[in-house]
Amino acid sequence: EVQLLESGGGLLQPGGSLRLSCAASGFTFSNYAMSWVRQAPGKGLEWVSAISGSGDNTYYTDSVKGRFSISRDNSRNTLYLQVYSLRAEDTAIYYCAKGYSNNYYGIFDYWGQGTLVTVSS
Amino acid sequence: EIVLTQSPGTLSLSPGERATLSCRASQSVTSNYLAWYQQKPGQAPRLLIYGASTRATGISDRFSGSGSGTDFTLTISRLEPEDSAVYYCQQYGKLPWTFGQGTKVEIK
Repeated sequence: EVQLLESGGGLLQPGGSLRLSCAASGFTFSNYAMSWVRQAPGKGLEWVSAISGSGDNTYYTDSVKGRFSISRDNSRNTLYLQVYSLRAEDTAIYYCAKGYSNNYYGIFDYWGQGTLVTVSS
Repeated sequence: EIVLTQSPGTLSLSPGERATLSCRASQSVTSNYLAWYQQKPGQAPRLLIYGASTRATGISDRFSGSGSGTDFTLTISRLEPEDSAVYYCQQYGKLPWTFGQGTKVEIK
């Protein structure tokens, strides 16, 4: 059974930083692209970043380029999102999502339950 | 970026009725790389449809997707109470991948 478990969220001040983690199990982690998708309270879904199975290729939405960094440790079956220079508009539930295949990164066939990041002074 | 506009915003129907949800793209979606997700309150989204019309594993055949280019439709036949949720379309043909704003389906 595929399981994705996010952690690392919390309450932070504007300008702060944190690292989100997503522990994966139930599939061969290194064979699949992974993404982070966020959802502001009461709002819709926004894709944030993706990484290929090997970790060689990374992609970001424009609003987070230069502030967020996606990475993975295939030996630990773990996905990361390092977040810097947090803004109020980054407040959201951050979901880890598994890509359908390494060729179809952008289809998200499994999702974690999310971790809440709140940015407020 | 490709903007996806979903309509209607809310759909209120009775059990057994058919729901038709629309998703319109601001430009043609590459290779019909269009997916649909269902999200219930307090839960993560669930993949229903990809490639505009292919049902994901384990998804009921009451859910069907159609369309091409810029106009796509999700149809839920014979609505059941558990279909009450927000439904999102998403294009994955061109970065950044984008979602529609969602259609809320309410069961009377």
